[in-house]
Amino acid sequence: DIQMTQSPSSLSASVGDRVTITCRASQSVNSHLNWYQQEPGKAPKLLIYAASNLQNGVPSRFRGSGSGTDFTLTITYLQPEDFATYYCQQSFSTPYTFGQGTKLEIK
Amino acid sequence: EVQLVESGGGLIQPGGSLRLSCAASGFSFDDYAMHWVRQAPGKGLEWVSGFNGNGDSKDYADSVKGRFFISRDNAKKSLYLQMNSLRAEDTALYYCARQLHVIMPKYTYYYGLSVWGQGTTVAVSS
Repeated sequence: DIQMTQSPSSLSASVGDRVTITCRASQSVNSHLNWYQQEPGKAPKLLIYAASNLQNGVPSRFRGSGSGTDFTLTITYLQPEDFATYYCQQSFSTPYTFGQGTKLEIK
Repeated sequence: EVQLVESGGGLIQPGGSLRLSCAASGFSFDDYAMHWVRQAPGKGLEWVSGFNGNGDSKDYADSVKGRFFISRDNAKKSLYLQMNSLRAEDTALYYCARQLHVIMPKYTYYYGLSVWGQGTTVAVSS
């Protein structure tokens, strides 16, 4: 199985900041890497698919990059609604493993 | 409106069985790969099981293999998860999710889970 490791596991930032979350796969997943946002009590929401493609309706301040084993999610100009937990997931091969999550909190 | 609605969760004793259902609406169900993902209380997301894009292949997480069985009824636009020999560690919110795909001339590419239900709660306890 492919293991996904996210860092950091938590992050404090202020409105207007830029933050970066990283995700590393234990083997190459090509570009089959997705990012999700989950607010408390809600279902996850797909933000980025295929490493760098913005899902419909997702603001352009979210950006994904990377390929192979190393990926990043960058959020520029943080907005109040961005404080949530973020997960990466590989869809290269089943089981479709998730990272452990990064909780983004308001400083 | 595209929608997934899960049902069938509840409180069950260890060793028991439950069958989860996911009713789809607003899209052509048989065109999509479908999956189950769970989230234990206060924990992260865990992919449980899913069908490939053609619907002719299925797979399971190691943690549920041999105990859980996924199925679908395209005529009823429904996805199911039969859960047997339930354990305390199966306690979680179970989500049904639709996989995003992009159809190209020679190949269809499968990506992330773009539509999610609200989840159904399974609690395994004596």
